[in-house]
Amino acid sequence: AQTVTQSQPEMSVQEAETVTLSCTYDTSESDYYLFWYKQPPSRQMILVIRQEAYKQQNATENRFSVNFQKAAKSFSLKISDSQLGDAAMYFCALCTGTASKLTFGTGTRLQVTL
Amino acid sequence: GAVVSQHPSWVICKSGTSVKIECRSLDFQATTMFWYRQFPKQSLMLMATSNEGSKATYEQGVEKDKFLINHASLTLSTLTVTSAHPEDSSFYICSARAGTGLSNQPQHFGDGTRLSIL
Repeated sequence: AQTVTQSQPEMSVQEAETVTLSCTYDTSESDYYLFWYKQPPSRQMILVIRQEAYKQQNATENRFSVNFQKAAKSFSLKISDSQLGDAAMYFCALCTGTASKLTFGTGTRLQVTL
Repeated sequence: GAVVSQHPSWVICKSGTSVKIECRSLDFQATTMFWYRQFPKQSLMLMATSNEGSKATYEQGVEKDKFLINHASLTLSTLTVTSAHPEDSSFYICSARAGTGLSNQPQHFGDGTRLSIL
């Protein structure tokens, strides 16, 4: 069975500052992918960033980057230069199996303050 | 690219009614579609996985006779909540994915359907 743990129910960051959201996971699969999705109040799920487990290099997408520590099964998301539009619920997700099912964490609600 | 359209966005109906929700991939062929349920302030719970032309695979605890899933084409999957009751009220989200097998192809999500059963 796969599990994804997000230990921070809520986080707050000031505009223009940097924040890191934590995620740990557990799987017995050797091949898998990791994703961060964002869910704003509109409730649409938006892909933020993805990471292939076989790649050592951390993924980056503009202001978003990850710190992937495979041995520790850790996959944190760093948001730089935070903007008001970054306020949302962030879900970490583990993708495994031939059906590529996603196992989601419980989410972290990010507030961005002025 | 990779747009998924889900309709309706909000439906309110009486207890005992059957409700159909559509999920369409607009600009890609969705080999696999997924249906999730999300309770308020909670994460997404996978209900079932469907592949085009095959029967859906339901997660443990999900009643297949209650939640009928049809994936008739590479761009359309439907979820029918049969004889809906108030406990079926929830937010239902579909997602679609191109390709087969495990890969970095992400799931692309629809905007969700808020179902309220009176």
